[in-house]
Amino acid sequence: GDSVTQMEGPVTLSEEAFLTINCTYTATGYPSLFWYVQYPGEGLQLLLKATKADDKGSNKGFEATYRKETTSFHLEKGSVQVSDSAVYFCASTNNAGNMLTFGGGTRLMVKP
Amino acid sequence: EPEVTQTPSHQVTQMGQEVILRCVPISNHLYFYWYRQILGQKVEFLVSFYNNEISEKSEIFDDQFSVERPDGSNFTLKIRSTKLEDSAMYFCASRATSGRARTGELFFGEGSRLTVL
Repeated sequence: GDSVTQMEGPVTLSEEAFLTINCTYTATGYPSLFWYVQYPGEGLQLLLKATKADDKGSNKGFEATYRKETTSFHLEKGSVQVSDSAVYFCASTNNAGNMLTFGGGTRLMVKP
Repeated sequence: EPEVTQTPSHQVTQMGQEVILRCVPISNHLYFYWYRQILGQKVEFLVSFYNNEISEKSEIFDDQFSVERPDGSNFTLKIRSTKLEDSAMYFCASRATSGRARTGELFFGEGSRLTVL
């Protein structure tokens, strides 16, 4: 079945450091790919998405590019802030587009 | 912006008790979901619901679980006889039926934390 694998955390960075959180997926067909973020004590919020190969999703300085050849959707940010501290979930849809499968989540901690 | 709302935000119950978690999806959405997240673990799919019936369910969604859309706005998850391992955050989500529907984007509520003692 479909699955999403992302790097385990926690990832601890200093403010203004470069962030990469790796995500790879296995799916049949052409899934849509997402990054969701969960701030402490809150629910899941969509951070960005990409719906086809070579699409780049971006939001709040975060970016991720849909790479079909490597089945990856790595999350990057050039300069993280303390307020980016959260858990980040990579997710993909199934071929029918009616179910979302999540990766295990990566906790990011940014220190001042 | 329209949002998915869930109640209660936190419920504490005794093992063996019945629990109902409530969700109000976004009003023009027709696809509804429950996911759960055991503390510190991944977000797991439980069930999807469309056209007044379950369309998909996971192995977690056994006979102790049921879902219902009792009226035009609420979508509920019932756990018949709670177990300790049901302690988790339960997220409701809904999906649009056009435009964003094909992309599969889900809109999540803030979750209901269930603690079973």
